[in-house]
Amino acid sequence: DAKTTQPTSMDCAEGRAANLPCNHSTISGNEYVYWYRQIHSQGPQYIIHGLKNNETNEMASLIITEDRKSSTLILPHATLRDTAVYYCIDNTDKLIFGTGTRLQVFP
Amino acid sequence: GAVVSQHPSRVICKSGTSVKIECRSLDFQATTMFWYRQFPKQSLMLMATSNEGSKATYEQGVEKDKFLINHASLTLSTLTVTSAHPEDSSFYICSAKSGTAAHEQYFGPGTRLTVT
Repeated sequence: DAKTTQPTSMDCAEGRAANLPCNHSTISGNEYVYWYRQIHSQGPQYIIHGLKNNETNEMASLIITEDRKSSTLILPHATLRDTAVYYCIDNTDKLIFGTGTRLQVFP
Repeated sequence: GAVVSQHPSRVICKSGTSVKIECRSLDFQATTMFWYRQFPKQSLMLMATSNEGSKATYEQGVEKDKFLINHASLTLSTLTVTSAHPEDSSFYICSAKSGTAAHEQYFGPGTRLTVT
């Protein structure tokens, strides 16, 4: 079973930052935090991952709390194409998906 | 970036027949491939882990005799749904791992199976 908890849904205005939280209170020391997203009827797409430090790439930023029990995925300037289900995962060898957050970006 | 394909993208079959879904890693060798199933409005459920040249490891509750997995080469894994029933209608997604880290796992576009 998935070990992370996320809000069921969120809305964000186009052009604004979308901040998606995730709780992973049972994460162990060697487990990374991964974020994937799934646009309707497509396979999941990798976004970003991190262990302890904050990370940034061309898609998003990942902020991990010092105790590593939660993290936030930040899409700095959300577009309509970012509407998707976002999954936060903290497993090591297998990706076990939880229910994710359905992000709706509106004009 | 790494590309994983699935074939077919959509398939309709009659109840009682078997259907095979292929998963290919196009530009890398995948020692490990995974098969997921996703029902409407639900999350992805891991069905099995497939290592090249060995038997697949099935998750609890997944019938290995019904969902036959073959990983004959480093670029191809197949999932055969045997004696399909309408309740097997689902979105089947494979993924392939290019390395040892979980983020080196790339997903296919999925196959929509409808059993009539």
